[in-house]
Amino acid sequence: DAMVIQNPRYQVTQFGKPVTLSCSQTLNHNVMYWYQQKSSQAPKLLFHYYDKDFNNEADTPDNFQSRRPNTSFCFLDIRSPGLGDAAMYLCATSRKDRVLDTQYFGPGTRLTVL
Amino acid sequence: AQKVTQAQTEISVVEKEDVTLDCVYETRDTTYYLFWYKQPPSGELVFLIRRNSFDEQNEISGRYSWNFQKSTSSFNFTITASQVVDSAVYFCALQVSSNTGKLIFGQGTTLQVKP
Repeated sequence: DAMVIQNPRYQVTQFGKPVTLSCSQTLNHNVMYWYQQKSSQAPKLLFHYYDKDFNNEADTPDNFQSRRPNTSFCFLDIRSPGLGDAAMYLCATSRKDRVLDTQYFGPGTRLTVL
Repeated sequence: AQKVTQAQTEISVVEKEDVTLDCVYETRDTTYYLFWYKQPPSGELVFLIRRNSFDEQNEISGRYSWNFQKSTSSFNFTITASQVVDSAVYFCALQVSSNTGKLIFGQGTTLQVKP
């Protein structure tokens, strides 16, 4: 089945220790998104890739970076995690041709910062 | 500015009751899309429906139905004969065609269906 996969599902890191979250997809979608969802809040877009073009949201902290080495994979790097970065991180993909298609989400990675 | 409001923070019903989740949106764009996603306790956001701004037809899918009314900027979601497995957080979201695909989510409605 075509799907969006996120690894790991749970990640524990220490304050200030860099961490990388992974997302892969078998849908052959050309757009990949990273959302942050804090407890009891709505998901908030951090950035997205349209093919190889990186698009950062204006209010995304510099502490968050992303890489997309190929169509199938996208990574979220948190350079120096703070306690406030503890959240669920959701990857989503969609197809954009003439119009934007539906975003399909992975299962998420729940990040704990000690 | 775009905004989505889900005024109901939490709803609790007994199994087999019907329940309606409200969603009101704001946008000045004429072309936009509305979505409902379900987020069970596992955390994954599950896509339920997508509607474009030019299609006001109501839709029914099994026990689920959606009522889109542009005149009131609402896109309400009804679950008929609710079941315990319907317990989840439900998000309504708006996507405008003039931006890069960003989903603007409401704050979510937590639905608890008791046996």
